[in-house]
Order: sequence, then C-alpha cells, then structure tokens
Amino acid sequence: AQRVTQPEKLLSVFKGAPVELKCNYSYSGSPELFWYVQYSRQRLQLLLRHISRESIKGFTADLNKGETSFHLKKPFAQEEDSAMYYCALKSGNTGKLIFGQGTTLQVKP
Amino acid sequence: DAGVIQSPRHEVTEMGQEVTLRCKPISGHDYLFWYRQTMMRGLELLIYFNNNVPIDDSGMPEDRFSAKMPNASFSTLKIQPSEPRDSAVYFCAGGQLYSSGNTIYFGEGSWLTVV
Repeated sequence: AQRVTQPEKLLSVFKGAPVELKCNYSYSGSPELFWYVQYSRQRLQLLLRHISRESIKGFTADLNKGETSFHLKKPFAQEEDSAMYYCALKSGNTGKLIFGQGTTLQVKP
Repeated sequence: DAGVIQSPRHEVTEMGQEVTLRCKPISGHDYLFWYRQTMMRGLELLIYFNNNVPIDDSGMPEDRFSAKMPNASFSTLKIQPSEPRDSAVYFCAGGQLYSSGNTIYFGEGSWLTVV
C-alpha cells in the first residue's frame, strides 16, 4: 500500500533551535517525494522535492530508501517558519500525490 | 499566470442547500485534483481528472458529492444536499505530468461552512 506517515501533529521549538519534521513512506517502486508548506490560511506551496536536491529557505530533506524516510530539516528555526508542513508521495505515473497528515511547526520567540 | 483560481473563497450555507465550488486551473496543466482539508483528517484527495476525464473518484465521500470538468479550463465540485460535516476547506490543484518536476499547484481554497 502507498502511504505517507507524519508521526507528529505538532512540533514546537524555540527560535534558533534545529528542526526535524519526520516523514516515512510506504511505496513499492522508486519514490518521488515532496514537502509542501501551508502558512496560516493560505494555499499549499511546494517547498522542495527530493529529485532537485535543493535547499529552500534553509530547509533540506534527504531521501533515505533504507529507512523509507524523507525528513525535513533546518539547522536554525525562524519564527516565520511557523506553518503546517505536508510530506507527499507521487503515486506511480498517475500524477496523483498522496499526502501525510501534516505537522504543524510552531517556532516560539 | 494567476495560478489556480477558486471560487467562492468563503461560503456559509444552511444544511440541505446545494453548494457548488469552482476551479480554473493553470493553462496547459492536464491534471486537476480536488482535495478536502479538515483538522481531523488532514488533506484528503476526493477526485482527480486527467485531460478532463475523471480518473479516480474513490475519495468522494458519498453520492452527495459530484465533480465535473467540462473543459480544460473549468471544473466544479458540487455537494447536494450539504451537511454540517461537509464543513472544510476544499482545494483545487493542478499539474502537468513529467513537467516542472511533477509539481502540483494549489488554489487558495474554498472555505465552506455548513450550519
């Protein structure tokens, strides 16, 4: 079964602390994974995708096939990072994205 | 490009009324998705279209929900009759397979409240 699991509903850290948002997936083929971010009452926006191996707003995510994980990391959290973060898995050749339940990141001053 | 455009942005309606949500995807995108977002269940895929054809509607909760895509630039999601448990944010999203890294672009959502 294709599934994305984000075990934490809420992650609360202080400004300047490191952040790691966990994402695990279940997929039989070669996965394509994404992180989307949703700021308060706004649309979901693509943050990064694993095939690009990019760093956006200081965030990085590495695909670990052995652990079937795609955790999102940032060394020093900023208050403006407070948002809901969704991990997503592309389902085969359908174009469909399967989303995790989302993790709310709260960065306290 | 103005991105994915949804209307209405906010709607409050009484139980039993018909609700129609509209979406204008980005020109050239051949996939269109309707998602529902609630606090309890997060983001749920309701239905998606490829080249205006419904591909998978297994996420549509029940017969009260229907979706159409009469052409490449317009889609509707209809709820008839609406119930309070339908209150949610409904997102339309679109993308083009094998282009732009398979990125899906979301609209700003339609915030539905059924009282």
